Amino acid sequence: GAGVSQSPSNKVTEKGKDVELRCDPISGHTALYWYRQRLGQGLEFLIYFQGNSAPDKSGLPSDRFSAERTGESVSTLTIQRTQQEDSAVYLCASSLGAAPTQYFGPGTRLTVL
Amino acid sequence: TQLLEQSPQFLSIQEGENLTVYCNSSSVFSSLQWYRQEPGEGPVLLVTVVTGGEVKKLKRLTFQFGDARKDSSLHITAAQPGDTGLYLCAAFGGGNNRKLIWGLGTSLAVNP
Repeated sequence: GAGVSQSPSNKVTEKGKDVELRCDPISGHTALYWYRQRLGQGLEFLIYFQGNSAPDKSGLPSDRFSAERTGESVSTLTIQRTQQEDSAVYLCASSLGAAPTQYFGPGTRLTVL
Repeated sequence: TQLLEQSPQFLSIQEGENLTVYCNSSSVFSSLQWYRQEPGEGPVLLVTVVTGGEVKKLKRLTFQFGDARKDSSLHITAAQPGDTGLYLCAAFGGGNNRKLIWGLGTSLAVNP
């Protein structure tokens, strides 16, 4: 079946603009994660959705970052008033409930000029 | 703060050589995972180890979890160019914590 998909694959924006990144998880996966991967660094947890529970937003770096998820399907990560330090690859992953195996999408490479 | 330290950061070897990469921490983890990431793609899970001292083999890859569940190693026998990639270790803190803690990775290049 289809894996996790993300769009766009690349996004170039100007400092101060808002961007919206999309993630389509594997069908039936109730858990969804967003991560940020800066060049030369490991993955940084941003937010976690699990079913109808309140999301774990503890990794969001500032109030410019927000994410939503519609039921157990699509999620969008929004970054407002982008800054150059927001440049990174944003990865989405999904898993079946609390299962330890996370399946990652290919990521969105965000470049803020 | 729980940290996972990976070494070496970069490794370039010839096809057919053996190698070991390490993932170390001062914290105890309930389980630890190894991923491989290729350019332009997300990480792909290779293995999950959960028991101290556990050894798992995946073809030419051997994964070991330390007895104290604080460290892990990945050994590749007779490396192939297809093994080239970024090897990442990650761990759950335990309990209901579903956040993975990630190392910075070992970038491996296997030259033909």
